[in-house]
Amino acid sequence: DARVTQTPRHKVTEMGQEVTMRCQPILGHNTVFWYRQTMMQGLELLAYFRNRAPLDDSGMPKDRFSAEMPDATLATLKIQPSEPRDSAVYFCASGFNSGIGRGQPQHFGDGTRLSIL
Amino acid sequence: GENVEQHPSTLSVQEGDSAVIKCTYSDSASNYFPWYKQELGKRPQLIIDIRSNVGEKKDQRIAVTLNKTAKHFSLHITETQPEDSAVYFCAGPLGDDKIIFGKGTRLHILP
Repeated sequence: DARVTQTPRHKVTEMGQEVTMRCQPILGHNTVFWYRQTMMQGLELLAYFRNRAPLDDSGMPKDRFSAEMPDATLATLKIQPSEPRDSAVYFCASGFNSGIGRGQPQHFGDGTRLSIL
Repeated sequence: GENVEQHPSTLSVQEGDSAVIKCTYSDSASNYFPWYKQELGKRPQLIIDIRSNVGEKKDQRIAVTLNKTAKHFSLHITETQPEDSAVYFCAGPLGDDKIIFGKGTRLHILP
């Protein structure tokens, strides 16, 4: 059963530190999404890629967050410098856009639970 | 732009009874509607989805119905069991790739 793999599963660090979260999408998927989930805001889309090209990062605070996809098997989300309000669960999801129709299933990883002290 | 409204926000049903969660959407061009289940501390999992060329889809105890005229779709869970307790999210398409999620329904199955 193919799965999206995220690392680390948990991260606790002090404010001001750099945080890097990694995601390995399902082999063959060509879209990758980064979401943040908090009790207050629910699931927020931060950024997404299709065929490794960034298509939308409007949900991300640009001054401190960056998302990249150095190759088809790795997506990264970095926060520098981190702040306590960044504490949340960060999910990566992947899907396949066949070019037919709108919308596709997205399959989520287990998430990174981030705590900034 | 697209908007997805989900009701109710919380639902409690007796074990063995049925549960229904409803969502409405605004973009008449929307044609793909997934449902996700998220258990406490776990990832959202796709449990069923429907495309606009069908009105109903079933998978064992869960079913989704779609009414394109009224722009709403519903999740039906029959013969509910304790393991059905979770938060359920509906979603609709936003552009070619993105989906927009409803706010979620917390379902409690009472013994």
